[in-house]
Amino acid sequence: GGIITQTPKFLIGQEGQKLTLKCQQNFNHDTMYWYRQDSGKGLRLIYYSITENDLQKGDLSEGYDASREKKSSFSLTVTSAQKNEMAVFLCASSPDRGYNNQAPLFGEGTRLSVL
Amino acid sequence: GQQVQQSPASLVLQEGENAELQCNFSSTATQLQWFYQSPGGSLVSLLSNPSGTKHTGRLTSTTVTKERRSSLHISSSQTTDSGTYLCAIDPTGGYKVVFGSGTRLLVSP
Repeated sequence: GGIITQTPKFLIGQEGQKLTLKCQQNFNHDTMYWYRQDSGKGLRLIYYSITENDLQKGDLSEGYDASREKKSSFSLTVTSAQKNEMAVFLCASSPDRGYNNQAPLFGEGTRLSVL
Repeated sequence: GQQVQQSPASLVLQEGENAELQCNFSSTATQLQWFYQSPGGSLVSLLSNPSGTKHTGRLTSTTVTKERRSSLHISSSQTTDSGTYLCAIDPTGGYKVVFGSGTRLLVSP
């Protein structure tokens, strides 16, 4: 069966540090997403990609970069970690556009803490 | 922009009781999904219901598009139903889905 793997599961960084989160999927899905979830809140879209080498900004892209060098992988970089920042970053993938035909499948998340 | 409000924010039930979760949204939605997020954090889709009523197992969702609201009814709740239920709206049929803050459900034995 298919799986979405996010690494690392836990990430502890220092203020101002550049941090990279990785996501791999073996569903052969075209679309991949990065979401941020703060405690007690819903998911907010950071970046998405509809195919290899494509990048599209979500509502929360400021402070982040993304990369989709292969169809199966999508990475997210926090360009400068903010002090006391704590959030869960969720990666997802879907076979085509939006949620029309199939809701995205999600990874287990990367939990970020910044000291 | 599109707003998605979920209520109640949290809900505590005894096993066997029914749960009613609400989702209200500020503009039309081409797609509406209910998700379950486990206490460990993983997210799975429960059902898609942009309009009308849909059933799956112990879950029933009713969406009234004109009134911009959707509900999720969980019958005979079980302790394993504990977690967070998220409503997500796709207003344009594109990629920028908007999520609500969720309802945290705790079912005690």
